Amino acid sequence: KAGVTQTPRYLIKTRGQQVTLSCSPISGHRSVSWYQQTPGQGLQFLFEYFSETQRNKGNFPGRFSGRQFSNSRSEMNVSTLELGDSALYLCASSLDYLGVTEAFFGQGTRLTVV
Amino acid sequence: DAKTTQPPSMDCAEGRAANLPCNHSTISGNEYVYWYRQIHSQGPQYIIHGLKNNETNEMASLIITEDRKSSTLILPHATLRDTAVYYCIVSFYNQGGKLIFGQGTELSVKP
Repeated sequence: KAGVTQTPRYLIKTRGQQVTLSCSPISGHRSVSWYQQTPGQGLQFLFEYFSETQRNKGNFPGRFSGRQFSNSRSEMNVSTLELGDSALYLCASSLDYLGVTEAFFGQGTRLTVV
Repeated sequence: DAKTTQPPSMDCAEGRAANLPCNHSTISGNEYVYWYRQIHSQGPQYIIHGLKNNETNEMASLIITEDRKSSTLILPHATLRDTAVYYCIVSFYNQGGKLIFGQGTELSVKP
């Protein structure tokens, strides 16, 4: 079966712009989580959506937001981009709660802010 | 903050067992231990998880001490493709998809 699909794979944006990243989870998975990975901070949890509701949120400013659609596909948006937002953004999907099955990660979207 | 402590790096000879330790001394009774790995520039990959008992699957074995304060991931016959960063994560069963990653252990498998 198809894995977690993230689009686009690479993105270059200018400071001050906004960006929207997309994640299509594995069919049947209702939980979608987002992570930011940078060399300095490592992998950090952004937020998690389940059945179109945000269930958990990490410690990121309000410029980072997300949503989930009825088909479980999810988008995350970053407004007023800063240089420090340059990172690999990873999406993970799981069947339900984390403990039921493992989380499957996509290949990520590499965002560069110039 | 991550609730686990792992050595930053380890080496292993190809074909030998790789034993990756993890300390989680503040783990609570209903928290699970999960292991993921990340091969360079790819998304993390689930390996195994456990609560109290030792677990084994086609990829690895997980040994959890009786007091649950530490665990060891064992790759029985490491190959070059096992070179990756390995993350040990402690999480509640119903944490809702929230994984708190630490710095992990960078495992280098050498010929």
